[in-house]
Amino acid sequence: ETGVTQTPRHLVMGMTNKKSLKCEQHLGHNAMYWYKQSAKKPLELMFVYNFKEQTENNSVPSRFSPECPNSSHLFLHLHTLQPEDSALYLCASSQELTSGASYEQYFGPGTRLTVT
Amino acid sequence: GENVEQHPSTLSVQEGDSAVIKCTYSDSASNYFPWYKQELGKGPQLIIDIRSNVGEKKDQRIAVTLNKTAKHFSLHITETQPEDSAVYFCAAKITSGTYKYIFGTGTRLKVLA
Repeated sequence: ETGVTQTPRHLVMGMTNKKSLKCEQHLGHNAMYWYKQSAKKPLELMFVYNFKEQTENNSVPSRFSPECPNSSHLFLHLHTLQPEDSALYLCASSQELTSGASYEQYFGPGTRLTVT
Repeated sequence: GENVEQHPSTLSVQEGDSAVIKCTYSDSASNYFPWYKQELGKGPQLIIDIRSNVGEKKDQRIAVTLNKTAKHFSLHITETQPEDSAVYFCAAKITSGTYKYIFGTGTRLKVLA
């Protein structure tokens, strides 16, 4: 256990559905991340939050909408996805994004998303 | 653009032998290089990391070396065991103006008993 949990672990949704992915960290961290992992591709950073403020949006389509209500929770709201969005979505956390803080990232187990 | 190249994509070794995975990064300002192990059905797990002010770091059977001049870093696993079989990812932390981690494409390591 890394101290980062994600729910659900598996999700199948149609292209017209709306669903949300949830991430929670119990490590006292203040930075949280969403990554997309597709077969044969490097992990793609999607969003970064530091102290609940979004610091990075890596040109992610608007059908993915992140929300970070506090430093322990991170959501990814999904709306009108495409089949090519099927992937493993990973959440990670680390200490706050300031000079001198630890750079170590801890990942959750991921949500396996299938868009039909 | 910023990228990390990782080789090989697959690696098979006999139990007890050593395994070496290599990565090359493009951003010379990168200052932190973690390695992750990902087992089936799990998220990546940090196994070792190195900062740019250090040339080598070792933790039991695992070691990482860094050559800043050549922008190379490598993972070395000695006395491999079947439980070492997994996908290994390298990454480099980009420091210019933002905090981003660029990952390699992964190496599938199979340790044959």
